[in-house]
Amino acid sequence: DIQMTQSPSSLSASVGDRVTITCRASQSISSYLNWYQQKPGKAPKLLIYAASSLQSGVPSRFSGSGSGTDFTLTISSLQPEDFAAYYCQQSYSTLLTFGPGTKVDIK
Amino acid sequence: EVQLLESGGVLIQPGGSLRLSCAASGFTFSSYAMSWVRQAPGKGLDWVSTASVSAGSAYYADSVKGRFTISRDNSKNTLFLQMNSLRAEDTAVYYCAKHALVGAHRFDYWGQGTLVTVSS
Repeated sequence: DIQMTQSPSSLSASVGDRVTITCRASQSISSYLNWYQQKPGKAPKLLIYAASSLQSGVPSRFSGSGSGTDFTLTISSLQPEDFAAYYCQQSYSTLLTFGPGTKVDIK
Repeated sequence: EVQLLESGGVLIQPGGSLRLSCAASGFTFSSYAMSWVRQAPGKGLDWVSTASVSAGSAYYADSVKGRFTISRDNSKNTLFLQMNSLRAEDTAVYYCAKHALVGAHRFDYWGQGTLVTVSS
């Protein structure tokens, strides 16, 4: 199975900050990498797919990059509604796997 | 509007069996693969199983293989997860999720989840 790791596991940031989260795959997954946001008590929401494509309706302050094994999610200017957990997910293999998550909270 | 509504979650003893359902509406259910994803309390997301469009193909995480069975009834727009030999570590909120496109294993819509608690 393809293992996914994320760093950091948590971070504290202020409104307006630029935030970057890293995701790494245990083998090359080309660009088959997706990012989700999850708020407490809610279902996850798809933000970015195919490493860098913005899901419809998602604000443009969210962006993704990377290919192969290393990927990043960037929030260009953190907004109050962005405090949440973020998960990467590989869709290269039919045995799907998520990263362990990164929790973004208020500094 | 796409809607996914899970049901069937309960408190159940270890070793027991349970069937979860996910009623879908607002899209052509028979045209999309569907998956179950779970989340243990305070933990991250954990993919469980995927059913192909016709349910001719099914995929399972190693942790549930041989114990869980995914199925779907395209005539009733419903996805199922039969869970046998339940263990304490199966305790989680179980979400059903719609795949975005044929062949695309990303999830564009999720249900609200149903809680399964395995405890004596």
